[in-house]
Amino acid sequence: DTGVSQDPRHKITKRGQNVTFRCDPISEHNRLYWYRQTLGQGPEFLTYFQNEAQLEKSRLLSDRFSAERPKGSFSTLEIQRTEQGDSAMYLCASSSGLAGANTGELFFGEGSRLTVL
Amino acid sequence: AQTVTQSQPEMSVQEAETVTLSCTYDTSESDYYLFWYKQPPSRQMILVIRQEAYKQQNATENRFSVNFQKAAKSFSLKISDSQLGDAAMYFCAYREGAQKLVFGQGTRLTINP
Repeated sequence: DTGVSQDPRHKITKRGQNVTFRCDPISEHNRLYWYRQTLGQGPEFLTYFQNEAQLEKSRLLSDRFSAERPKGSFSTLEIQRTEQGDSAMYLCASSSGLAGANTGELFFGEGSRLTVL
Repeated sequence: AQTVTQSQPEMSVQEAETVTLSCTYDTSESDYYLFWYKQPPSRQMILVIRQEAYKQQNATENRFSVNFQKAAKSFSLKISDSQLGDAAMYFCAYREGAQKLVFGQGTRLTINP
């Protein structure tokens, strides 16, 4: 299966610790997105990459959050000094930005669930 | 900023019946995409149906169809012949240009056997 994969699927950490999530998009997709979803809510946009360039960041992405996509393939999302309010599902999605292939659809991974104690 | 509103937090329907989920959105643009995504419990979000704003014809995918009212900024999803596997959270989403999706709050759909 060549869908979007995320790792780890679940992470439990203590407040103040750093955590890192990884996302591997569909291989031919040049766009990669991070979203955050809290229980019973819709996903909220965090940030977006086209190839290795981070083109947009939400105001939700505080200074404790950083995302990278160094070679335009996989991406990491790091949260430093975690707080209980960071507990959520972190979703990664990818899409193709190529003309003729850009249907507007995002393909999502299964998410990484973070619990901060 | 664009907003997407789903006014029905929960809906239920009898198996084999038809149900309609509502969605409204706010935008000043004329060209955009609208989507319905399905998120089953503990599973990834998948696309149900897509509508390009410049197309007047309502999109249809098997048992799923939309009622797109551009002037009213309304985009409802109709599920015909509901099946137990349709039980999930359904999210309406808006996309402008090549950028991010903006999601509604979701509607939890329960299918009663």
